[in-house]
Amino acid sequence: GAVVSQHPSWVICKSGTSVKIECRSLDFQATTMFWYRQFPKQSLMLMATSNEGSKATYEQGVEKDKFLINHASLTLSTLTVTSAHPEDSSFYICSATTGGAFDNEQFFGPGTRLTVL
Amino acid sequence: DQQVKQNSPSLSVQEGRISILNCDYTNSMFDYFLWYKKYPAEGPTFLISISSIKDKNEDGRFTVFLNKSAKHLSLHIVPSQPGDSAVYFCAASGETSGSRLTFGEGTQLTVNP
Repeated sequence: GAVVSQHPSWVICKSGTSVKIECRSLDFQATTMFWYRQFPKQSLMLMATSNEGSKATYEQGVEKDKFLINHASLTLSTLTVTSAHPEDSSFYICSATTGGAFDNEQFFGPGTRLTVL
Repeated sequence: DQQVKQNSPSLSVQEGRISILNCDYTNSMFDYFLWYKKYPAEGPTFLISISSIKDKNEDGRFTVFLNKSAKHLSLHIVPSQPGDSAVYFCAASGETSGSRLTFGEGTQLTVNP
């Protein structure tokens, strides 16, 4: 149980285009989903927290107009990188919490490798 | 401001021996700590956790120790196996359901056969 998927697993795009990444909780309803970014050999950095039906809460320094998050249902959150640039190339990972017994436990997706040319 | 630090970027141990991974934190409001294991190009997978009301939690080959006064926790893996080779992240949170996690930088563990 508690499986989280991401799509696509990798994407290459041209500079200036927008890219959408989906995060789905497959066998549970996720009250909260998180989006992280990881640069090579660095820690996972939290970008934003999203709750179903409400606006995402962005971490300091993360541009909300560039990284659009939509949490339309209890099983789906999307991250859209708008007008992507090479410096946005990174590994994007989502996670979800069940809000149940494992209150503090986040279940992570497999990640999406974004390369912007 | 790195609130969770893993000062050893890498650790190499022999199969069958003990692996000890360390983590320090600065925020005294953290009250729940987790260890995750991560393979390249994959998301982290949960290993073990501990709340601040405990000083030890054990699950099979994995034991996490928490020293609140020193703001230090460690993950012990014994016996270590080659399949344990991965990057290990410690993470901390300070709220209840749906809390934000603050991650350390990770330690690359290599277990040699």
